[in-house]
Amino acid sequence: SQTIHQWPATLVQPVGSPLSLECTVEGTSNPNLYWYRQAAGRGLQLLFYSVGIGQISSEVPQNLSASRPQDRQFILSSKKLLLSDSGFYLCAWSSGGGGLYGYTFGSGTRLTVV
Amino acid sequence: DAKTTQPPSMDCAEGRAANLPCNHSTISGNEYVYWYRQIHSQGPQYIIHGLKNNETNEMASLIITEDRKSSTLILPHATLRDTAVYYCIVRVAVYGGSQGNLIFGKGTKLSVKP
Repeated sequence: SQTIHQWPATLVQPVGSPLSLECTVEGTSNPNLYWYRQAAGRGLQLLFYSVGIGQISSEVPQNLSASRPQDRQFILSSKKLLLSDSGFYLCAWSSGGGGLYGYTFGSGTRLTVV
Repeated sequence: DAKTTQPPSMDCAEGRAANLPCNHSTISGNEYVYWYRQIHSQGPQYIIHGLKNNETNEMASLIITEDRKSSTLILPHATLRDTAVYYCIVRVAVYGGSQGNLIFGKGTKLSVKP
Protein backbone atom coordinates (compact mmCIF):
# COMPACT_ATOMS: atom_id res chain seq x y z
CA SER A 1 0.00 0.00 0.00
CA GLN A 2 1.06 3.58 -0.55
CA THR A 3 2.28 5.74 2.30
CA ILE A 4 3.50 9.30 2.54
CA HIS A 5 5.99 10.51 5.11
CA GLN A 6 6.62 14.07 6.14
CA TRP A 7 9.09 15.37 8.68
CA PRO A 8 9.63 16.98 11.03
CA ALA A 9 6.18 17.26 12.62
CA THR A 10 6.97 20.57 14.27
CA LEU A 11 9.73 23.08 13.76
CA VAL A 12 10.66 26.40 15.34
CA GLN A 13 13.15 28.45 13.35
CA PRO A 14 14.53 31.98 13.75
CA VAL A 15 13.95 34.61 11.10
CA GLY A 16 16.68 34.49 8.48
CA SER A 17 17.53 30.83 9.02
CA PRO A 18 17.31 28.24 6.23
CA LEU A 19 14.55 25.66 5.90
CA SER A 20 14.36 22.15 4.52
CA LEU A 21 11.22 20.03 4.77
CA GLU A 22 11.21 16.58 3.27
CA CYS A 23 8.43 14.41 1.94
CA THR A 24 8.73 10.87 0.65
CA VAL A 25 6.18 8.51 -0.85
CA GLU A 26 6.33 4.73 -0.74
CA GLY A 27 4.49 2.07 -2.68
CA THR A 28 3.99 3.93 -5.94
CA SER A 29 6.05 5.19 -8.83
CA ASN A 30 5.97 8.43 -10.80
CA PRO A 31 3.50 10.16 -8.48
CA ASN A 32 2.40 13.75 -8.83
CA LEU A 33 3.65 15.59 -5.73
CA TYR A 34 2.38 18.76 -4.09
CA TRP A 35 3.27 21.22 -1.34
CA TYR A 36 0.48 23.15 0.37
CA ARG A 37 0.60 25.72 3.14
CA GLN A 38 -2.08 26.64 5.62
CA ALA A 39 -1.46 29.88 7.48
CA ALA A 40 -3.16 30.36 10.83
CA GLY A 41 -6.91 30.82 10.36
CA ARG A 42 -6.67 30.57 6.59
CA GLY A 43 -7.30 27.98 3.91
CA LEU A 44 -4.95 25.60 2.17
CA GLN A 45 -2.84 27.23 -0.49
CA LEU A 46 -1.09 25.24 -3.21
CA LEU A 47 2.57 26.27 -3.34
CA PHE A 48 4.27 23.84 -5.72
CA TYR A 49 3.52 20.77 -7.72
CA SER A 50 5.68 18.29 -9.62
CA VAL A 51 4.83 15.73 -12.27
CA GLY A 52 8.34 14.23 -12.46
CA ILE A 53 11.96 14.38 -11.33
CA GLY A 54 13.31 17.88 -11.67
CA GLN A 55 9.96 19.25 -12.85
CA ILE A 56 8.63 21.89 -10.48
CA SER A 57 5.80 24.34 -11.01
CA SER A 58 5.19 27.22 -8.65
CA GLU A 59 1.66 28.43 -8.06
CA VAL A 60 2.45 31.57 -6.08
CA PRO A 61 5.48 33.85 -5.84
CA GLN A 62 7.15 33.53 -2.48
CA ASN A 63 10.22 33.06 -0.39
CA LEU A 64 10.23 29.28 -0.84
CA SER A 65 11.48 26.82 -3.43
CA ALA A 66 10.91 23.14 -4.10
CA SER A 67 12.97 20.36 -5.57
CA ARG A 68 12.39 16.78 -6.60
CA PRO A 69 15.76 15.01 -6.68
CA GLN A 70 14.23 11.53 -6.80
CA ASP A 71 10.97 10.11 -8.09
CA ARG A 72 9.37 9.81 -4.67
CA GLN A 73 11.10 12.62 -2.81
CA PHE A 74 9.88 16.21 -2.63
CA ILE A 75 11.73 18.91 -0.71
CA LEU A 76 10.58 22.36 0.33
CA SER A 77 13.33 24.88 1.05
CA SER A 78 14.09 28.43 1.92
CA LYS A 79 17.41 30.24 2.16
CA LYS A 80 16.14 32.82 4.66
CA LEU A 81 12.88 32.40 6.52
CA LEU A 82 10.46 35.26 7.07
CA LEU A 83 7.90 35.59 9.85
CA SER A 84 5.20 35.22 7.19
CA ASP A 85 6.50 31.74 6.34
CA SER A 86 4.97 30.39 9.55
CA GLY A 87 2.20 27.90 8.93
CA PHE A 88 1.18 24.29 8.52
CA TYR A 89 2.92 22.70 5.53
CA LEU A 90 1.40 19.68 3.88
CA CYS A 91 2.79 17.36 1.26
CA ALA A 92 0.46 15.32 -0.93
CA TRP A 93 0.64 12.86 -3.78
CA SER A 94 -1.69 11.65 -6.50
CA SER A 95 -1.37 8.99 -9.14
CA GLY A 96 0.11 10.05 -12.42
CA GLY A 97 -3.05 9.00 -14.19
CA GLY A 98 -4.78 12.23 -13.34
CA GLY A 99 -5.42 11.62 -9.70
CA LEU A 100 -9.01 10.64 -10.32
CA TYR A 101 -9.24 9.08 -6.91
CA GLY A 102 -7.95 12.14 -5.14
CA TYR A 103 -4.88 13.19 -3.28
CA THR A 104 -3.33 11.60 -0.23
CA PHE A 105 -1.88 14.06 2.26
CA GLY A 106 0.90 13.66 4.76
CA SER A 107 0.50 14.50 8.41
CA GLY A 108 2.05 17.95 7.98
CA THR A 109 4.80 20.09 9.48
CA ARG A 110 3.90 22.96 11.74
CA LEU A 111 6.52 25.68 11.20
CA THR A 112 6.84 28.62 13.54
CA VAL A 113 9.26 31.35 12.55
CA VAL A 114 10.32 33.47 15.53
CA ASP B 1 -9.78 30.89 -6.73
CA ALA B 2 -12.15 28.24 -5.46
CA LYS B 3 -15.11 27.57 -7.71
CA THR B 4 -17.42 26.52 -4.91
CA THR B 5 -19.52 28.22 -2.24
CA GLN B 6 -20.15 26.61 1.14
CA PRO B 7 -21.65 27.86 4.39
CA PRO B 8 -18.87 28.77 6.82
CA SER B 9 -20.20 26.64 9.65
CA MET B 10 -22.87 24.12 10.61
CA ASP B 11 -23.88 22.23 13.72
CA CYS B 12 -25.20 18.69 13.88
CA ALA B 13 -26.40 16.53 16.74
CA GLU B 14 -24.53 13.32 17.35
CA GLY B 15 -26.23 10.35 15.68
CA ARG B 16 -28.17 12.52 13.25
CA ALA B 17 -27.45 12.94 9.56
CA ALA B 18 -25.21 15.85 8.60
CA ASN B 19 -26.10 17.40 5.26
CA LEU B 20 -23.42 19.73 3.92
CA PRO B 21 -24.38 21.81 0.89
CA CYS B 22 -22.12 23.12 -1.84
CA ASN B 23 -22.84 25.41 -4.78
CA HIS B 24 -20.77 25.10 -7.93
CA SER B 25 -22.87 26.92 -10.50
CA THR B 26 -19.99 27.39 -12.98
CA ILE B 27 -18.94 23.74 -13.05
CA SER B 28 -17.80 22.48 -16.44
CA GLY B 29 -18.87 19.22 -18.03
CA ASN B 30 -15.53 17.55 -17.40
CA GLU B 31 -15.16 18.64 -13.78
CA TYR B 32 -15.71 16.29 -10.89
CA VAL B 33 -17.01 17.22 -7.46
CA TYR B 34 -14.68 16.18 -4.64
CA TRP B 35 -15.15 16.32 -0.91
CA TYR B 36 -12.34 16.34 1.61
CA ARG B 37 -12.29 16.99 5.32
CA GLN B 38 -9.62 18.27 7.65
CA ILE B 39 -9.66 17.40 11.29
CA HIS B 40 -7.80 19.95 13.40
CA SER B 41 -4.01 19.86 12.91
CA GLN B 42 -4.14 16.97 10.45
CA GLY B 43 -3.81 16.71 6.69
CA PRO B 44 -7.01 16.71 4.60
CA GLN B 45 -8.68 13.35 4.10
CA TYR B 46 -10.40 12.29 0.89
CA ILE B 47 -14.08 11.44 1.42
CA ILE B 48 -15.80 10.94 -1.91
CA HIS B 49 -16.08 12.25 -5.45
CA GLY B 50 -18.58 12.16 -8.29
CA LEU B 51 -19.29 13.43 -11.78
CA LYS B 52 -22.99 13.12 -12.48
CA ASN B 53 -24.44 10.23 -10.54
CA ASN B 54 -24.98 10.04 -6.82
CA GLU B 55 -22.21 8.16 -5.04
CA THR B 56 -21.97 6.29 -1.76
CA ASN B 57 -19.07 4.77 0.10
CA GLU B 58 -18.35 3.68 3.64
CA MET B 59 -17.86 7.26 4.78
CA ALA B 60 -20.58 9.28 3.11
CA SER B 61 -23.04 9.82 0.28
CA LEU B 62 -22.77 12.47 -2.40
CA ILE B 63 -25.92 13.81 -4.01
CA ILE B 64 -25.39 15.88 -7.18
CA THR B 65 -28.29 17.80 -8.68
CA GLU B 66 -29.30 17.01 -12.22
CA ASP B 67 -27.96 20.32 -13.52
CA ARG B 68 -24.74 19.68 -11.52
CA LYS B 69 -24.79 23.20 -10.11
CA SER B 70 -24.91 22.03 -6.53
CA SER B 71 -24.29 18.99 -4.39
CA THR B 72 -24.78 17.74 -0.86
CA LEU B 73 -22.47 15.60 1.21
CA ILE B 74 -24.35 13.39 3.64
CA LEU B 75 -22.83 11.83 6.73
CA PRO B 76 -25.64 9.46 7.69
CA HIS B 77 -24.91 9.13 11.41
CA ALA B 78 -22.57 11.87 12.55
CA THR B 79 -20.23 11.18 15.45
CA LEU B 80 -18.09 13.54 17.51
CA ARG B 81 -15.09 12.40 15.45
CA ASP B 82 -16.72 13.86 12.35
CA THR B 83 -16.13 17.36 13.70
CA ALA B 84 -13.89 18.91 11.02
CA VAL B 85 -13.71 21.42 8.18
CA TYR B 86 -15.31 19.97 5.05
CA TYR B 87 -14.12 21.13 1.65
CA CYS B 88 -16.08 20.86 -1.58
CA ILE B 89 -13.81 21.13 -4.63
CA VAL B 90 -14.41 20.90 -8.35
CA ARG B 91 -11.59 19.82 -10.63
CA VAL B 92 -10.89 18.13 -13.90
CA ALA B 93 -9.08 14.81 -13.78
CA VAL B 94 -6.17 15.24 -16.18
CA TYR B 95 -2.61 14.05 -16.24
CA GLY B 96 -0.16 16.66 -15.01
CA GLY B 97 -0.52 20.39 -15.57
CA SER B 98 -2.32 22.79 -13.28
CA GLN B 99 -5.85 22.12 -14.47
CA GLY B 100 -6.25 19.13 -12.24
CA ASN B 101 -4.75 20.67 -9.11
CA LEU B 102 -6.87 20.65 -5.96
CA ILE B 103 -7.71 24.23 -5.05
CA PHE B 104 -9.21 24.53 -1.58
CA GLY B 105 -11.71 27.15 -0.53
CA LYS B 106 -12.65 27.99 3.03
CA GLY B 107 -14.90 25.00 3.57
CA THR B 108 -17.61 24.39 6.13
CA LYS B 109 -16.69 23.90 9.76
CA LEU B 110 -18.96 21.11 10.99
CA SER B 111 -19.40 20.81 14.73
CA VAL B 112 -21.01 17.62 15.92
CA LYS B 113 -22.48 18.10 19.36
CA PRO B 114 -23.46 15.44 21.92
